[in-house]
Amino acid sequence: SQTIHQWPATLVQPVGSPLSLECTVEGTSNPNLYWYRQAAGRGLQLLFYSVGIGQISSEVPQNLSASRPQDRQFILSSKKLLLSDSGFYLCASSGQLSYEQYFGPGTRLTVT
Amino acid sequence: AQKVTQAQTEISVVEKEDVTLDCVYETRDTTYYLFWYKQPPSGELVFLIRRNSFDEQNEISGRYSWNFQKSTSSFNFTITASQVVDSAVYFCALSELGTGNQFYFGTGTSLTVIP
Repeated sequence: SQTIHQWPATLVQPVGSPLSLECTVEGTSNPNLYWYRQAAGRGLQLLFYSVGIGQISSEVPQNLSASRPQDRQFILSSKKLLLSDSGFYLCASSGQLSYEQYFGPGTRLTVT
Repeated sequence: AQKVTQAQTEISVVEKEDVTLDCVYETRDTTYYLFWYKQPPSGELVFLIRRNSFDEQNEISGRYSWNFQKSTSSFNFTITASQVVDSAVYFCALSELGTGNQFYFGTGTSLTVIP
């Protein structure tokens, strides 16, 4: 089965600072990878998904970006954080032959 | 338009009561998948079940059961004899074939089981 690692677990950053969240996947090859954001008390918002190295699709226009430098590595970045970027960021993975998505433990980001 | 609707925002039950979480979906595809996830206070989403559109058999796993009805576009989740550990937010999700396995999540139902 797949295991998704995310770090850091929590992060407090000032407005205007850069961001880099990392996600790595074990137990599968060539997965589809996803970044979601969950605002406090709300549902999941899909930010980016990737079906292969260097292939990134953006769902929501914003100051965030994603990259997939390796098959099982997915990075979420920002050059300048906004207060509205605060939230719980979840990375997910699905295998090519399975339809369910498996989620990492998440990163709780607070922008101050 | 919302593809997955979970009309119940919050539910509270007393321990040992049964509780049903509703999920209504909308799709024009004939092949699709439905899912339920549990999000405990720790935050990580835990996969519970997947059901494809061609399989309308109800499923039971311990105290959990799922009722899939295509005629009403519903995929409801029942917890029998609820326990405090069942307290969590539960999400229903839809995936349509051919969309890169994108998920459409409902807004979640927060379940509190009172001891």
